[in-house]
Amino acid sequence: EIVMTQSPATLSVSPGERATLSCRASQSVSSNLAWYQQKPGQAPRLLIYGASTRATGIPARFSGSGSGTEFTLTISSLQSEDFAVYYCQQYNNWPPDSFGQGTKLEIK
Amino acid sequence: EVQLVESGGGLVQPGGSLRLSCAASGFTFSSYWMSWVRQAPGKGLEWVATIKQDGSEKYYVDSVKGRFTISRDNAKNSLYLQMNSLRAEDTAVYSCARGGTWRDKWGQGTLVTVSS
Repeated sequence: EIVMTQSPATLSVSPGERATLSCRASQSVSSNLAWYQQKPGQAPRLLIYGASTRATGIPARFSGSGSGTEFTLTISSLQSEDFAVYYCQQYNNWPPDSFGQGTKLEIK
Repeated sequence: EVQLVESGGGLVQPGGSLRLSCAASGFTFSSYWMSWVRQAPGKGLEWVATIKQDGSEKYYVDSVKGRFTISRDNAKNSLYLQMNSLRAEDTAVYSCARGGTWRDKWGQGTLVTVSS
């Protein structure tokens, strides 16, 4: 089973600043990685798939990078609506897939 | 607009059964793999099961194999999850999602609580 580890668990950033979230896989997942945003009481929202492809309707301030075992989600200029929990998910050699434990992005 | 609406959750005793449903609208349901994903209270996301467009392939996480069955009715634009022999550790919000690997649309979920 591939274990996904996200860091940090909580990230405090001021609006307008850049946020960088990390995700590490226990073994290579190539570029088979997605990022999701989840707000309290809401369904997850797909942000990125294929490690770097933005999903339909996702603003350009969200970008994904990395391959193999190290991945990054960058939000270039934080808006108030971006404060949420973010999950990475690997789907290499699916099934199964696996999610990270999440990074909570909070207002500083 | 794509909509996925789950129903069928509730309180059930250990060893009991529940059948979850997901009503899909706003897209051609029969063209997509569909999945169930769960989230235990205060915890992260866990993939549960996935079914191919025509139902010919089904996949499950090891912890539910032999207990849960995923199915679909393309004529009714509906996805199902039959859950038998439920355990306390199955307590979670169960969401249906469009897609087999990455999932681009999700429902709000239905809460399943397994407790005596």
